[in-house]
Amino acid sequence: LAKTTQPISMDSYEGQEVNITCSHNNIATNDYITWYQQFPSQGPRFIIQGYKTKVTNEVASLFIPADRKSSTLSLPRVSLSDTAVYYCLVGDMDTGRRALTFGSGTRLQVQP
Amino acid sequence: GAVVSQHPSWVICKSGTSVKIECRSLDFQATTMFWYRQFPKQSLMLMATSNEGSKATYEQGVEKDKFLINHASLTLSTLTVTSAHPEDSSFYICSARGMAGELFFGEGSRLTVL
Repeated sequence: LAKTTQPISMDSYEGQEVNITCSHNNIATNDYITWYQQFPSQGPRFIIQGYKTKVTNEVASLFIPADRKSSTLSLPRVSLSDTAVYYCLVGDMDTGRRALTFGSGTRLQVQP
Repeated sequence: GAVVSQHPSWVICKSGTSVKIECRSLDFQATTMFWYRQFPKQSLMLMATSNEGSKATYEQGVEKDKFLINHASLTLSTLTVTSAHPEDSSFYICSARGMAGELFFGEGSRLTVL
């Protein structure tokens, strides 16, 4: 399973754009990149998933360069409620019998 | 979207007792479910993979006789913490893969052993 590396923590202010980068140098051909958000005492919640280039949904964008060895989660105009831990996971999506391994995650603190 | 539900969401028990946590996939069948454990300020650690109709696969360092996993149906997996001790106090989270391979997580179950 590809190992991921993220910054341990980040600070931001309300209204700013936040970019969290994840390194996954040994990502495999069949691996997808998925980002999850976790609030205290809750299970992780799916944010966005991609394989290459750029993916955008109603809450975030995911940028993946051509070599796929890293990815950047972009949160536009964060609010206080975006304070959480963000995890980047890398793994294949085929049979569903393999779990995804969590890295340390990035603790985002949004200040007023 | 697919939902994974856990019960109970929190439980307090005395040392030496056993506690069962249920994980259900509400609108899809999950032949495989995963159990994670999370200590305060730490990331999720995979404990075991629960396979419907067969024995669970445990990660290195996780005692299979301590953490009993039963995946009796395509929508239910249970984790039983046997003879719980204070060091077993943690946040237990289950997850299941949807039909397209996406991973859904339960709300988590907080166990406190006194």
